[in-house]
Amino acid sequence: AQSVTQLDSHVSVSEGTPVLLRCNYSSSYSPSLFWYVQHPNKGLQLLLKYTSAATLVKGINGFEAEFKKSETSFHLTKPSAHMSDAAEYFCVVRSNTGNQFYFGTGTSLTVIP
Amino acid sequence: SQTIHQWPATLVQPVGSPLSLECTVEGTSNPNLYWYRQAAGRGLQLLFYSVGIGQISSEVPQNLSASRPQDRQFILSSKKLLLSDSGFYLCAWARPPTSGSSYEQYFGPGTRLTVT
Repeated sequence: AQSVTQLDSHVSVSEGTPVLLRCNYSSSYSPSLFWYVQHPNKGLQLLLKYTSAATLVKGINGFEAEFKKSETSFHLTKPSAHMSDAAEYFCVVRSNTGNQFYFGTGTSLTVIP
Repeated sequence: SQTIHQWPATLVQPVGSPLSLECTVEGTSNPNLYWYRQAAGRGLQLLFYSVGIGQISSEVPQNLSASRPQDRQFILSSKKLLLSDSGFYLCAWARPPTSGSSYEQYFGPGTRLTVT
């Protein structure tokens, strides 16, 4: 079975400091992993995806994530937080059949001015 | 390019009333379609998904139902709403795994449902 665990429900950073949102996955095969962002009362927007290519994945808005098989992790990072980054972030793994997606419980990012 | 529409954007309904939420996708064919519910401050709960017309998989037994009358149309319904049905409903689509391409999900703007 596939699953993801987001290790922090809330993360607070100061504007201009690095962001780290942690995600561990469980999968019996080579997984496809995604990070999404959700602003209040909006749909989810894809930030980046890992699909067995380069282990360091670059996404939109300066975010990137590194797939580490030995650690079963797919942490999301950004060198410098902006106020506009304040949102909910979801780590997602796709099922081995490809028809289902399993979501983490989300991490709420607060950016302090 | 592909787009996904949901309507209405917001809805306030009394307990016991019926519900119909609609989702349509443009610019792709034979997509997988999904309905999720998000309670306030919570994560996403998969309600239904569909891999083709008339093919619906239910993930959570409840008073909701889904239908896919056309390839790119996905409808969420209820005959009698409960207070617990309040939440943010999101529709999503993804290319099927047989398409040979990467298939992340793409989400609609959501419907905010308040049951009073």
